[in-house]
Amino acid sequence: ETAVFQTPNYHVTQVGNEVSFNCKQTLGHDTMYWYKQDSKKLLKIMFSYNNKQLIVNETVPRRFSPQSSDKAHLNLRIKSVEPEDSAVYLCASSHGGNQDTQYFGPGTRLLVL
Amino acid sequence: AQSVTQPDARVTVSEGASLQLRCKYSYSGTPYLFWYVQYPRQGLQLLLKYYSGDPVVQGVNGFEAEFSKSNSSFHLRKASVHWSDSAVYFCVLSTGNYKYVFGAGTRLKVIA
Repeated sequence: ETAVFQTPNYHVTQVGNEVSFNCKQTLGHDTMYWYKQDSKKLLKIMFSYNNKQLIVNETVPRRFSPQSSDKAHLNLRIKSVEPEDSAVYLCASSHGGNQDTQYFGPGTRLLVL
Repeated sequence: AQSVTQPDARVTVSEGASLQLRCKYSYSGTPYLFWYVQYPRQGLQLLLKYYSGDPVVQGVNGFEAEFSKSNSSFHLRKASVHWSDSAVYFCVLSTGNYKYVFGAGTRLKVIA
Protein backbone atom coordinates (compact mmCIF):
# COMPACT_ATOMS: atom_id res chain seq x y z
CA GLU A 1 0.00 0.00 0.00
CA THR A 2 1.49 3.32 -1.10
CA ALA A 3 2.07 5.76 1.70
CA VAL A 4 4.51 8.08 -0.03
CA PHE A 5 2.89 9.86 -2.94
CA GLN A 6 4.65 11.71 -5.72
CA THR A 7 3.32 13.87 -8.51
CA PRO A 8 3.70 13.99 -11.41
CA ASN A 9 4.67 10.50 -12.51
CA TYR A 10 6.38 11.79 -15.59
CA HIS A 11 7.37 15.22 -16.88
CA VAL A 12 8.90 16.33 -20.16
CA THR A 13 10.28 19.83 -20.45
CA GLN A 14 12.81 21.91 -22.29
CA VAL A 15 16.17 23.24 -21.18
CA GLY A 16 15.84 26.38 -19.09
CA ASN A 17 12.32 25.77 -17.84
CA GLU A 18 11.32 25.57 -14.20
CA VAL A 19 9.77 22.41 -12.82
CA SER A 20 8.34 21.45 -9.47
CA PHE A 21 7.73 18.00 -8.03
CA ASN A 22 5.50 17.19 -5.11
CA CYS A 23 5.86 14.59 -2.38
CA LYS A 24 3.51 13.75 0.45
CA GLN A 25 3.75 11.04 3.08
CA THR A 26 0.90 9.76 5.23
CA LEU A 27 3.01 7.74 7.65
CA GLY A 28 3.42 10.44 10.27
CA HIS A 29 7.17 10.39 9.77
CA ASP A 30 9.42 13.24 10.86
CA THR A 31 12.05 12.91 8.12
CA MET A 32 11.81 13.17 4.36
CA TYR A 33 14.37 12.85 1.57
CA TRP A 34 14.92 13.50 -2.09
CA TYR A 35 17.11 11.18 -4.14
CA LYS A 36 18.18 11.34 -7.74
CA GLN A 37 18.38 8.05 -9.65
CA ASP A 38 20.22 8.13 -12.95
CA SER A 39 19.80 5.93 -15.99
CA LYS A 40 22.18 3.35 -14.53
CA LYS A 41 20.03 3.12 -11.40
CA LEU A 42 22.61 4.88 -9.24
CA LEU A 43 20.96 6.60 -6.27
CA LYS A 44 22.34 9.77 -4.79
CA ILE A 45 20.84 11.60 -1.86
CA MET A 46 20.10 15.25 -2.51
CA PHE A 47 18.34 16.55 0.59
CA SER A 48 17.14 15.37 3.99
CA TYR A 49 14.55 17.24 6.04
CA ASN A 50 13.59 16.63 9.65
CA ASN A 51 10.48 18.38 10.99
CA LYS A 52 10.63 20.89 8.14
CA GLN A 53 14.29 21.69 8.82
CA LEU A 54 17.00 21.02 6.28
CA ILE A 55 19.42 18.48 7.74
CA VAL A 56 21.44 17.26 4.80
CA ASN A 57 22.18 19.15 1.65
CA GLU A 58 24.51 17.19 -0.52
CA THR A 59 26.45 18.86 -3.26
CA VAL A 60 23.72 19.63 -5.75
CA PRO A 61 23.54 22.55 -8.18
CA ARG A 62 21.96 25.68 -6.75
CA ARG A 63 19.10 25.48 -9.23
CA PHE A 64 17.68 22.70 -7.04
CA SER A 65 15.73 23.82 -3.99
CA PRO A 66 13.60 21.80 -1.58
CA GLN A 67 10.44 23.27 -0.10
CA SER A 68 8.66 21.98 2.98
CA SER A 69 5.36 23.39 4.23
CA ASP A 70 4.93 20.80 6.97
CA LYS A 71 6.59 17.56 7.92
CA ALA A 72 4.30 15.55 5.64
CA HIS A 73 5.26 17.42 2.48
CA LEU A 74 8.60 17.95 0.77
CA ASN A 75 8.60 19.42 -2.71
CA LEU A 76 11.50 19.85 -5.09
CA ARG A 77 11.92 22.77 -7.43
CA ILE A 78 14.41 22.97 -10.26
CA LYS A 79 14.79 26.55 -11.38
CA SER A 80 16.32 26.16 -14.82
CA VAL A 81 16.62 22.58 -15.92
CA GLU A 82 19.64 21.21 -17.75
CA PRO A 83 19.87 18.04 -19.87
CA GLU A 84 21.79 16.26 -17.11
CA ASP A 85 18.80 16.70 -14.81
CA SER A 86 17.00 13.97 -16.75
CA ALA A 87 16.55 11.24 -14.16
CA VAL A 88 14.07 9.69 -11.78
CA TYR A 89 13.56 11.66 -8.59
CA LEU A 90 12.61 9.53 -5.62
CA CYS A 91 11.06 10.86 -2.46
CA ALA A 92 11.30 8.90 0.78
CA SER A 93 10.40 9.24 4.44
CA SER A 94 11.48 7.68 7.71
CA HIS A 95 10.50 7.95 11.34
CA GLY A 96 13.81 9.50 12.32
CA GLY A 97 17.08 9.67 10.44
CA ASN A 98 19.34 7.36 12.27
CA GLN A 99 19.23 3.87 10.94
CA ASP A 100 15.47 3.94 10.37
CA THR A 101 13.76 2.20 7.51
CA GLN A 102 13.00 4.48 4.59
CA TYR A 103 9.75 4.29 2.66
CA PHE A 104 9.93 5.34 -0.95
CA GLY A 105 7.48 6.86 -3.36
CA PRO A 106 7.16 5.58 -6.95
CA GLY A 107 9.31 8.37 -8.35
CA THR A 108 8.96 11.22 -10.82
CA ARG A 109 10.65 10.66 -14.14
CA LEU A 110 12.01 13.87 -15.68
CA LEU A 111 13.07 14.17 -19.28
CA VAL A 112 14.78 17.37 -20.37
CA LEU A 113 14.87 17.95 -24.11
CA ALA B 1 34.71 7.59 3.82
CA GLN B 2 31.78 5.26 3.92
CA SER B 3 30.98 3.17 0.89
CA VAL B 4 28.95 0.21 -0.29
CA THR B 5 30.09 -2.05 -3.10
CA GLN B 6 27.88 -4.47 -4.97
CA PRO B 7 30.39 -6.17 -7.25
CA ASP B 8 27.86 -7.81 -9.55
CA ALA B 9 25.99 -5.37 -11.75
CA ARG B 10 23.91 -8.15 -13.31
CA VAL B 11 23.04 -11.65 -12.17
CA THR B 12 21.04 -14.22 -14.13
CA VAL B 13 19.69 -17.34 -12.47
CA SER B 14 17.24 -20.02 -13.43
CA GLU B 15 13.89 -20.22 -11.73
CA GLY B 16 14.09 -22.50 -8.72
CA ALA B 17 17.84 -22.04 -8.31
CA SER B 18 19.46 -20.53 -5.25
CA LEU B 19 20.66 -16.96 -5.21
CA GLN B 20 23.36 -14.92 -3.54
CA LEU B 21 23.80 -11.19 -4.13
CA ARG B 22 26.99 -9.78 -2.70
CA CYS B 23 27.47 -6.61 -0.72
CA LYS B 24 30.61 -5.21 0.89
CA TYR B 25 30.67 -2.08 3.00
CA SER B 26 33.34 0.23 4.31
CA TYR B 27 32.61 1.98 7.60
CA SER B 28 34.60 2.32 10.80
CA GLY B 29 31.56 2.59 13.08
CA THR B 30 28.68 0.26 13.82
CA PRO B 31 26.95 -0.42 10.52
CA TYR B 32 23.19 -0.44 10.08
CA LEU B 33 22.50 -2.35 6.89
CA PHE B 34 19.51 -2.76 4.64
CA TRP B 35 18.53 -4.55 1.47
CA TYR B 36 15.91 -2.93 -0.73
CA VAL B 37 14.33 -4.15 -3.95
CA GLN B 38 13.12 -2.00 -6.83
CA TYR B 39 10.66 -3.44 -9.32
CA PRO B 40 10.30 -1.76 -12.71
CA ARG B 41 8.91 1.76 -12.54
CA GLN B 42 8.39 1.56 -8.79
CA GLY B 43 10.05 2.94 -5.69
CA LEU B 44 12.27 0.91 -3.41
CA GLN B 45 10.83 -1.56 -0.93
CA LEU B 46 12.53 -2.91 2.17
CA LEU B 47 13.49 -6.58 2.12
CA LEU B 48 15.30 -6.77 5.44
CA LYS B 49 17.58 -4.91 7.81
CA TYR B 50 20.33 -5.62 10.30
CA TYR B 51 21.17 -3.66 13.41
CA SER B 52 22.72 -6.15 15.82
CA GLY B 53 22.33 -9.63 17.26
CA ASP B 54 21.96 -12.77 15.15
CA PRO B 55 24.03 -12.16 12.01
CA VAL B 56 21.47 -13.97 9.87
CA VAL B 57 18.35 -11.91 9.39
CA GLN B 58 15.15 -13.00 7.74
CA GLY B 59 13.21 -10.81 5.37
CA VAL B 60 10.15 -10.88 3.19
CA ASN B 61 9.44 -13.37 0.41
CA GLY B 62 11.99 -15.92 1.64
CA PHE B 63 15.01 -13.62 1.51
CA GLU B 64 17.66 -13.65 4.19
CA ALA B 65 21.01 -11.93 4.64
CA GLU B 66 24.10 -12.68 6.63
CA PHE B 67 26.21 -10.01 8.27
CA SER B 68 29.94 -10.59 8.66
CA LYS B 69 31.94 -8.03 10.56
CA SER B 70 35.25 -9.69 9.75
CA ASN B 71 34.51 -9.59 6.03
CA SER B 72 32.59 -6.30 6.07
CA SER B 73 29.87 -8.00 4.13
CA PHE B 74 26.11 -8.31 4.10
CA HIS B 75 25.19 -10.83 1.41
CA LEU B 76 21.60 -11.50 0.40
CA ARG B 77 20.39 -15.04 -0.21
CA LYS B 78 17.34 -16.91 -1.33
CA ALA B 79 16.99 -20.67 -1.49
CA SER B 80 14.76 -20.81 -4.56
CA VAL B 81 14.05 -17.84 -6.82
CA HIS B 82 10.85 -17.14 -8.67
CA TRP B 83 10.45 -15.23 -11.92
CA SER B 84 8.78 -12.42 -9.96
CA ASP B 85 12.05 -11.82 -8.10
CA SER B 86 13.45 -10.18 -11.24
CA ALA B 87 14.27 -6.64 -10.10
CA VAL B 88 17.12 -4.39 -8.99
CA TYR B 89 18.47 -5.01 -5.49
CA PHE B 90 20.21 -2.37 -3.43
CA CYS B 91 22.42 -2.79 -0.40
CA VAL B 92 22.30 0.28 1.86
CA LEU B 93 24.44 1.46 4.75
CA SER B 94 23.15 3.91 7.33
CA THR B 95 25.78 5.86 9.20
CA GLY B 96 23.43 8.03 11.22
CA ASN B 97 22.97 11.76 10.81
CA TYR B 98 20.26 11.20 8.22
CA LYS B 99 22.70 9.76 5.69
CA TYR B 100 22.22 6.56 3.77
CA VAL B 101 24.84 5.22 1.38
CA PHE B 102 23.52 3.11 -1.48
CA GLY B 103 25.33 0.47 -3.46
CA ALA B 104 25.12 0.68 -7.24
CA GLY B 105 22.52 -2.06 -7.34
CA THR B 106 22.43 -5.56 -8.79
CA ARG B 107 19.98 -6.28 -11.57
CA LEU B 108 18.59 -9.79 -11.13
CA LYS B 109 17.07 -11.64 -14.03
CA VAL B 110 15.30 -14.92 -13.40
CA ILE B 111 14.90 -17.11 -16.45
CA ALA B 112 12.70 -20.12 -17.04
